[in-house]
Amino acid sequence: DTEVTQTPKHLVMGMTNKKSLKCEQHMGHRAMYWYKQKAKKPPELMFVYSYEKLSINESVPSRFSPECPNSSLLNLHLHALQPEDSALYLCASSQDSSGMGDTQYFGPGTRLTVL
Amino acid sequence: QKEVEQNSGPLSVPEGAIASLNCTYSDRVSQSFFWYRQYSGKSPELIMSIYSNGDKEDGRFTAQLNKASQYVSLLIRDSQPSDSATYLCAVNGPGGTSYGKLTFGQGTILTVHP
Repeated sequence: DTEVTQTPKHLVMGMTNKKSLKCEQHMGHRAMYWYKQKAKKPPELMFVYSYEKLSINESVPSRFSPECPNSSLLNLHLHALQPEDSALYLCASSQDSSGMGDTQYFGPGTRLTVL
Repeated sequence: QKEVEQNSGPLSVPEGAIASLNCTYSDRVSQSFFWYRQYSGKSPELIMSIYSNGDKEDGRFTAQLNKASQYVSLLIRDSQPSDSATYLCAVNGPGGTSYGKLTFGQGTILTVHP
């Protein structure tokens, strides 16, 4: 089973709202990722958690705040977003980010629209 | 210089033909290579992974890796209209030490026409 789940599927929020995206996997993976994907572009890495610790932050603005409550869950807290933050937000997981051949599996994504 | 390059296409092939998708990468020490398929509005789905020089076959898909030429390709035999999608080439890490950091190409749009 290579399933990563994400909620919600769609989210519309105003620039003053606070919302959260959720991601869950039950594959025993120890690395989890957040990506942002704009139309007709490849996914852009935002954050990597390895063994529940933040290991990579790709200079993401502080209005995006990741959280990894446990090895199965990953959240992305959103606050004071801008319309240009509208995109597909993808969660992925892999066995372990430190190994060669580590394969990332993507969830279905959350389509975010910021008004 | 882009780290992972793909022809953006669109690549159009007739049903039943072989579709050939190509990818080059700049970091000579890259170790892991992946092909993802992405339908419009959906998330990337893993098609193939390859780590060693040569060919790797899985059903209608064959991945080919040539590390000396820094080249990886994906062949799709007996192409079907359902194969129409964007194909993303991804390479593990720049520098070979940044495991967990996939670098994606821009993607090749494939259209299979009946």
